Amino acid sequence: YVLTQPPSVSVAPGKTASITCGGDNIGSKSVHWYQQKPGQAPVMVIYFDGVRPSGIPDRLSGSNSDNTATLTISRVEVGDEADYYCQVWDTTSAHPVFGPGTKVTVL
Amino acid sequence: QVQLVQSGAEVKKPGSSVKVSCKASGGTFSSLAFIWVRQAPGHGLEWMGGIIPIFGTVNYAQEFQGRVTLSADESTSTAYMEVSSLRSEDTAVYYCARGHYGTSGYWQDAPFDIWGQGTMVTVSS
Repeated sequence: YVLTQPPSVSVAPGKTASITCGGDNIGSKSVHWYQQKPGQAPVMVIYFDGVRPSGIPDRLSGSNSDNTATLTISRVEVGDEADYYCQVWDTTSAHPVFGPGTKVTVL
Repeated sequence: QVQLVQSGAEVKKPGSSVKVSCKASGGTFSSLAFIWVRQAPGHGLEWMGGIIPIFGTVNYAQEFQGRVTLSADESTSTAYMEVSSLRSEDTAVYYCARGHYGTSGYWQDAPFDIWGQGTMVTVSS
């Protein structure tokens, strides 16, 4: 199962960033999102499509339908600069699959 | 709250092996499952395999089958990942993370909610 993500997204502070994760009928799967800042381990920021763990600001939200899942960051802050990875379980192989990642740059 | 602490950075010669540890604290080890993820410099996250110690379940990504060995020691609450026949392309940060499983010992479609801090492995002659 292959996931696609745009390599990079640039956004001005205070604006909205949308990071897409494409896959064949991904809407039928659960999508999880991870944020990774330079030199740090990944952190789960959205799970089961749109659930936020405690401590994650409500500026981050997720949706999933048809062939695209989306992580949306509203009112972007400089601290949101990071790489973002989507992840699903491939039911065929029973293995997890990560997307290639999207680098979010705050202009 | 479960925490995962990994062993320190390693520098290895090509052809040698490396064993990275992931020590769990703050939870019951027998209830834990672990995955291992590789991240080469400037690259993304790559699932290597996973282990459910209480069931003895071990799965490997095809790319790593035969060269990677996952194990766990309940007495020390530690999971291990060993890579043999190291080559320069194995230079990467290796992460352990918590996975989830069901009562039948199969992996659950659930997120990897807790991660170790990562271990840098450098393979160089």
